[in-house]
Amino acid sequence: DIQMTQSPSSLSASVGDRVTIACRPSQSISNYLNWYQHKPGKAPKLLIYAASRLQSGVPSRFSGSASWTDFTLTISSLQPEDSATYFCQQTYSPRWTFGQGTEVEIK
Amino acid sequence: EVQLVESGGALVQPGGSVRLSCAASGFAFNTSWMNWVRQAPGKGLEWVANIKEDGSEIYYVDSVKGRFTVSRDNTENSLYLQMNSLRAEDTAVYYCARRYDFWSGYNYYYYMDVWGKGTTVTVSS
Repeated sequence: DIQMTQSPSSLSASVGDRVTIACRPSQSISNYLNWYQHKPGKAPKLLIYAASRLQSGVPSRFSGSASWTDFTLTISSLQPEDSATYFCQQTYSPRWTFGQGTEVEIK
Repeated sequence: EVQLVESGGALVQPGGSVRLSCAASGFAFNTSWMNWVRQAPGKGLEWVANIKEDGSEIYYVDSVKGRFTVSRDNTENSLYLQMNSLRAEDTAVYYCARRYDFWSGYNYYYYMDVWGKGTTVTVSS
């Protein structure tokens, strides 16, 4: 199975900060990479699909990008409601896998 | 309204069984791949299984293969997860989620765009 490694596992930032979360797959996955936001007690929410496409209704401060080997989720200006855990997910192979998650805390 | 509602979560003894259900409404269930995803306490999301529109293709994460069976009834707009030989590590909130297929003009990309609120399975003696 394809392993997805996220970093950092947690971070603490202030409102208005720029935040980046990285995700590295154990093998090439083309752009079959999605990002989800998950808050306790709620269903996960899709933010970004196909590495860089913003899901309808998601604020434009969220963006995704891809380099040769890594993927990045960026929150351009952190808001209080962005406190959550963020997961990357690959859909390249039939057996999907998630990264271990990055917990974002607001200072 | 597009909606998924899970049910069937329970407290089960190790080695026991439970069947989860997911009722879909507001979309063409019979044209959608469906997924089960879980989150154990204090852990991240784990994709568990998925099933093609007609049930002809099914995939599982290795840790549940041979113990869990996913099925669907398109006449009832329902998805199921039969969980046997349960272990403590199966304790989790279980979510069902719809797979959406996005055509970019070159490739199809897949993601889960509709999720239920989850149902809790606790495996403990």
